[in-house]
Amino acid sequence: EVQLVQSGGGLVQPGGSLRLSCAASGFTFSNNWMGWVRQAPGKGLEWVASIKQDGSEGYYGDSVKGRFTISRDNAKNSLYLQMNSLRAEDTAVYYCVRSSNWAFNYWGPGNLVTVSS
Amino acid sequence: DIVMTQSPLSLPVTPGEPASISCRSSQSLMHSNGYNLLDWYLQKPGQSPQLLIYFGSNRASGVPDRFSGSGSGTDFTLKISRVEAEDVGMYYCMQALQTPVTFGQGTRLDIK
Repeated sequence: EVQLVQSGGGLVQPGGSLRLSCAASGFTFSNNWMGWVRQAPGKGLEWVASIKQDGSEGYYGDSVKGRFTISRDNAKNSLYLQMNSLRAEDTAVYYCVRSSNWAFNYWGPGNLVTVSS
Repeated sequence: DIVMTQSPLSLPVTPGEPASISCRSSQSLMHSNGYNLLDWYLQKPGQSPQLLIYFGSNRASGVPDRFSGSGSGTDFTLKISRVEAEDVGMYYCMQALQTPVTFGQGTRLDIK
């Protein structure tokens, strides 16, 4: 059974940093693109970032480019999102997602990140 | 960026009746592999989104066959042949042809 267990959310002040983690199991982690999608309170879905199977390439949404870094450790079956220079508009539930056939076919439970003073 | 436009934004449906959601993209979603990179997702209240349809018309594993996707290029449709109470939630289309990956605004399906 595919499982994506997320950790690392919470409250952070504007300008601060936070690291999200996603521990994967139930599939061969190194075979899949992985990514992050977020959802601001009461809003729709927004793609944040995706990373290639071997971690050599990462892609970002315009709103987070230069501030967020996606990475993975295939030996630990884990995905990460390092978030720096956080803003109030980054407040959202962040979902870890697994990609297959260009679709997000598994979603984690989500982690709330709140940016507020 | 590819803009995804869904309609309607709100869809009240009587149980047992059909439902249809439209999704239009600002440019063709046909990939060189011959597939349309258009997905449909359902987010039930209080849950994470789940994949319903990929490549425009392929049902994801475990998705009931009352859900179907059609269309090509820039115009796509998600159809539910007979709506059930468990189908309530927000439906999103998403394009994966190019980055940034973009979603439609969402369609809220409610039971009348």
